[in-house]
Parts: sequence; structure tokens; C-alpha cells
Amino acid sequence: GQQVMQIPQYQHVQEGEDFTTYCNSSTTLSNIQWYKQRPGGHPVFLIQLVKSGEVKKQKRLTFQFGEAKKNSSLHITATQTTDVGTYFCAGDSGAGSYQLTFGKGTKLSVIP
Amino acid sequence: EAQVTQNPRYLITVTGKKLTVTCSQNMNHEYMSWYRQDPGLGLRQIYYSMNVEVTDKGDVPEGYKVSRKEKRNFPLILESPSPNQTSLYFCASSRGIFWTGELFFGEGSRLTVL
Repeated sequence: GQQVMQIPQYQHVQEGEDFTTYCNSSTTLSNIQWYKQRPGGHPVFLIQLVKSGEVKKQKRLTFQFGEAKKNSSLHITATQTTDVGTYFCAGDSGAGSYQLTFGKGTKLSVIP
Repeated sequence: EAQVTQNPRYLITVTGKKLTVTCSQNMNHEYMSWYRQDPGLGLRQIYYSMNVEVTDKGDVPEGYKVSRKEKRNFPLILESPSPNQTSLYFCASSRGIFWTGELFFGEGSRLTVL
């Protein structure tokens, strides 16, 4: 079945440093989604990428979808303590599958 | 307010005692799904439903049952819970037209089976 690998598993950064998490799928995806889960909370949708090579920005967050639609990344510029949490990617293999496969997540800690 | 509501939020039970975790959404979503979250394993899908009376297995369905008799409700049933089902459970819903789409998660139900 489809597998989605996410690295790193943990990342500790000093406040103000940049952060990147990477997601790789074993199969071509129709789209990829990113979620953030704050400590003790539930996953919250951040964004969905659909097109090959797509880049989207949300303030300090930059999301990319690879040309082959098998990998994606989330980059946070100048991290803040409010960025703390676990970031998950979730791959959708295509219309009709209706199964999102989640990566195991990257847990981000920000040292003030 | 648009939301997915799960109950109970916390539950401690014993092996073999049947339990149901309820899930309800008020967004008229077609798609609903159950996930379990375990340390180091991320979110794994248990069952999902595309519409009323339509359900299908996810990646880890063993030991669980679901039903979708109404559009808004998608209960998760553990007929005979075992300690390996101790986990954090999330219900989620989405419009799910051509693909899964943005998932809206409930706040989670932390289940401990002794």
C-alpha cells in the first residue's frame, strides 16, 4: 500500500531559526495536505497542494509540492514559540481512493 | 459553529467490556473517518465512510466496527476491547467529493483499556 515517509521525526530549533520538514511518498499523489497539531490538541488543516511544482505561502510558512508529485516540504522562516507542535503531511493517491495516508509527523520544539 | 464532536473525551475501561465512541458533525459532510494516534506511529486510519450506509476499512480495522446510519453520525464500536487498543482516537470529516479534501478533526478521545 501507499507509504508516506516524513523526516525528521524531531527538530529542536532556537527561536528565530528556520525549520523544514520533508515528506516522501512511495507512489504518485493526486494532492498532499499539511496539518499542525499543537501539544494536547487535534490536527488542524494548514493547506492542500494539488499541482506539480506548486508553491504556496502562508506568512512565514512555505509549502512545496514536487514536480513528480511524490514529495513535499514545509519550511518555516524565523520560527516563533507559537510554531511549536507536530506537523503532519498526508497524501491522497487519487480520485476515488478517499484514503489519506499520513506521515508520522515532525515534532518541532522552539527554544526561546 | 462548524465542528466535529466526540464523546467521551476520556475513558478508562477493562478488557472485554464493549464500548462505543460517538462522533457527530454539523457540516453536512459526506466523508467521515476514524484514526488512532500512537507515539511514533502517527495517525493511522481505522475505518472511513463515503456516505450513509457506505463504510470501508482503513489500515488498522481489526477489533473495531463502525456504522453510518445517519449522515452526521459515525460511531466507533469496540466489541471486546483489548489493551493494545489503548490509544488516542480522532474522528474527522470532510466534504470528500472528488478526493478526501480538508479534514476537520474532533478533539480526540483518549481510551485506556486495562
